[in-house]
Amino acid sequence: DQQVKQNSPSLSVQEGRISILNCDYTNSMFDYFLWYKKYPAEGPTFLISISSIKDKNEDGRFTVFLNKSAKHLSLHIVPSQPGDSAVYFCAALGGAQKLVFGQGTRLTINP
Amino acid sequence: GAVVSQHPSWVICKSGTSVKIECRSLDFQATTMFWYRQFPKQSLMLMATSNEGSKATYEQGVEKDKFLINHASLTLSTLTVTSAHPEDSSFYICSARDLRGTNTEAFFGQGTRLTVV
Repeated sequence: DQQVKQNSPSLSVQEGRISILNCDYTNSMFDYFLWYKKYPAEGPTFLISISSIKDKNEDGRFTVFLNKSAKHLSLHIVPSQPGDSAVYFCAALGGAQKLVFGQGTRLTINP
Repeated sequence: GAVVSQHPSWVICKSGTSVKIECRSLDFQATTMFWYRQFPKQSLMLMATSNEGSKATYEQGVEKDKFLINHASLTLSTLTVTSAHPEDSSFYICSARDLRGTNTEAFFGQGTRLTVV
């Protein structure tokens, strides 16, 4: 049972444009969500998080939106840069403080 | 952000041998460490949760006698893959958190690529 889903395995965006990565979840008990960025053969790097009591959190070029009624969150990157090319994982904080990860979306920024 | 060091970054071992992977929190005390495994083109799958000074809690389907986890101090956890076989070849990642405060952020190690030949 996949509690956190990233339905797009890959996404290509032109440099300078906005990248939007989506994530859906099924467990309404999740109360904290995080986005991680991962390069090949490296561990994930924390990007940005959002508490379930908020609907938006912004940090520089990264903004995360949370729609609790739809159980959906998204990560916006603007403007997109070549260095943003990586795999992005959304994660939700579940019971016993465990992070539940989505399958990841490979973002490619084209020059 | 905080730093979690994972060692080694890659290892090749012969089938039947054991491999130990270390996870250290360098600038904070980790009350809890998580061990993940990532298969190619798949998500990170949680293997086990370890709390300092107590036995690890393993996820369903993970053999605790095969994947030995020790969390003897607030800065070090180890994962030992015993009697490794080729199907154990994977990318193993640790994550460390200090659950005593309000910061819920998890910091990840660089990962270890294990290849069993």
